[in-house]
Amino acid sequence: DIQMTQSPSSLSAFVGDRVTITCRASQSISSYLNWYQQKPGKAPNLLIYAALSLQSGVPSRFSGSGSGTDFILTISSLQPEDFATYYCQQSFSTPLTFGGGTKVEIK
Amino acid sequence: QVQLQESGPGLVKPSQTLSLTCTVSGGSISSGSYYWSWIRQPAGKGLEWIGRIYTSGSTNYNPSLKSRVTISVDMSKNQFSLKLTSVTAADTAVFYCARETLIMIRGWSYYGMDVWGQGTTVTVSS
Repeated sequence: DIQMTQSPSSLSAFVGDRVTITCRASQSISSYLNWYQQKPGKAPNLLIYAALSLQSGVPSRFSGSGSGTDFILTISSLQPEDFATYYCQQSFSTPLTFGGGTKVEIK
Repeated sequence: QVQLQESGPGLVKPSQTLSLTCTVSGGSISSGSYYWSWIRQPAGKGLEWIGRIYTSGSTNYNPSLKSRVTISVDMSKNQFSLKLTSVTAADTAVFYCARETLIMIRGWSYYGMDVWGQGTTVTVSS
């Protein structure tokens, strides 16, 4: 199985801050990396697919980068509605695996 | 707009079989290049992929659950289903169904889970 490791596991930031979340795969997954946002009591929501493509309807303050084993999700200017947990997920091979999540709190 | 809705018992006894159904509305489960997946999330924990079924009927399962999992599709009802046998308290979780959509980028195929059900909580307890 491909292990996905996210860091940090949690962070606290001010509205307007630039936030970055890192995801590392245990082996190369090319660009087969998706990012999801999950708010409490809700299902995850696809933000980024193929490492850097923005899903339709997702605000442009979200962006993704990376390939191979190292990936980054960036929120360019954190908004109050961005309070959530973020997960990376590899779609390179089955079993599909998710990172452990990064909880983003607003200061 | 496609929507997914999970249904099934919220309480299952240990050693019994957990059965859930995901009903697809707003589109046909048999059209397009989609995988139909099940994912679970224990309370306060992360996401675990259980398995998926393709439009053709082929399946992929998580090896950690493979001996206990069956995913099937009923085209006539526009539904796909999950059966998980011999459940224990460790199987208590919120269960989600999701659609994985094929996205072609410069000739390469990528899949992302772009539509999710709202989730259903299943508790395993006597």
